Amino acid sequence: GAVVSQHPSWVICKSGTSVKIECRSLDFQATTMFWYRQFPKQSLMLMATSNEGSKATYEQGVEKDKFLINHASLTLSTLTVTSAHPEDSSFYICSASPTNRESGNIQYFGAGTRLSVL
Amino acid sequence: DQQVKQNSPSLSVQEGRISILNCDYTNSMFDYFLWYKKYPAEGPTFLISISSIKDKNEDGRFTVFLNKSAKHLSLHIVPSQPGDSAVYFCAASDYGQNFVFGPGTRLSVLP
Repeated sequence: GAVVSQHPSWVICKSGTSVKIECRSLDFQATTMFWYRQFPKQSLMLMATSNEGSKATYEQGVEKDKFLINHASLTLSTLTVTSAHPEDSSFYICSASPTNRESGNIQYFGAGTRLSVL
Repeated sequence: DQQVKQNSPSLSVQEGRISILNCDYTNSMFDYFLWYKKYPAEGPTFLISISSIKDKNEDGRFTVFLNKSAKHLSLHIVPSQPGDSAVYFCAASDYGQNFVFGPGTRLSVLP
């Protein structure tokens, strides 16, 4: 099956620093990638849709300047949490949908990144 | 307004029995439905999907049923195994433009 690699899997940082999370589709091309955030015991919350070669589309309430998304190629999207604060501590998950429609409208997920901001 | 609902936050089933997870949706534009399984601190894993032109899709122990008129789908797992214990998310897509996830149902399969 399709594989999405996400790293780092866990990062601890000091308040005020920036953290970059990478999401790669390993065996397929993805024009569109998605970034989610999950709080404990809650559902996935879509943060933004990342489109290759264009600006990301952010969901209402998500700060664009806080969560910078770059989709530089058909296999790589990055999420940078800028000037991280303890309230940004969460589990971040990316997903990718193959450009090739033979796979249907299936999103494949990365393993997630646990961000802990001290 | 939740477009995809999973009204049971949790479900407990005895090992070997059938697990039935339910999902309701409100948007008639949804044409593709998916079920994902998620363990703690991991990304969701795709389980099974169904197109709106079908009413049933089966893959091993997993079967998804779709009732378009009722805007309802369900995931059947039979026989249930302890390793099936996880959170199950129902998701819906409208022609690949938007993906909407339900809040999830935590399944516990008791040995």
